[in-house]
Amino acid sequence: SQQGEEDPQALSIQEGENATMNCSYKTSINNLQWYRQNSGRGLVHLILIRSNEREKHSGRLRVTLDTSKKSSSLLITASRAADTASYFCATRGPSNTGKLIFGQGTTLQVKP
Amino acid sequence: DADVTQTPRNRITKTGKRIMLECSQTKGHDRMYWYRQDPGLGLRLIYYSFDVKDINKGEISDGYSVSRQAQAKFSLSLESAIPNQTALYFCATSAQGEGTGELFFGEGSRLTVL
Repeated sequence: SQQGEEDPQALSIQEGENATMNCSYKTSINNLQWYRQNSGRGLVHLILIRSNEREKHSGRLRVTLDTSKKSSSLLITASRAADTASYFCATRGPSNTGKLIFGQGTTLQVKP
Repeated sequence: DADVTQTPRNRITKTGKRIMLECSQTKGHDRMYWYRQDPGLGLRLIYYSFDVKDINKGEISDGYSVSRQAQAKFSLSLESAIPNQTALYFCATSAQGEGTGELFFGEGSRLTVL
């Protein structure tokens, strides 16, 4: 069973708007990661946030983590048509097993 | 050249056939994984390996087997393919240690079982 559940499942916005995707998980984590997948392609790592961090930025990406609520959000600011893709959160357990458990993903469409 | 290479990229087969999906990597990573992706279900872990002599079952290992022939190679086999194994399969690697645990993915192998 998936560790993470993402919300919304699909999101459609206009270019220039911000996109926010949420991820909830069930058990303790070492870190939480976000990945992007262009249609039919392999996943690409975007950003990682550790369990002792609350917020992290990378370019137009902002990730927050609330371990008390077991939730994370990914914000993409000033979206572009090229941001159209599926976005997945993935959690890594506290035991350094190296396994990542993925959520079902959010499909983002950015209209030009 | 891609760091993580999967072959074949597409395969159509019939029920009952044995299928092997191969993965090779040039990243020098010890850890390798096989995931399966189905629409609306995200990625599910099939098997993973932290070393050449290490094999571990993931969430959905039934009907699959793996072989870690070398540090750089990790193959996934379906001994007797069935239609519900139709999916997109991904190989991934990661570095050992506390590090980031970031995964590097191949481009996927799309398998259709008729």
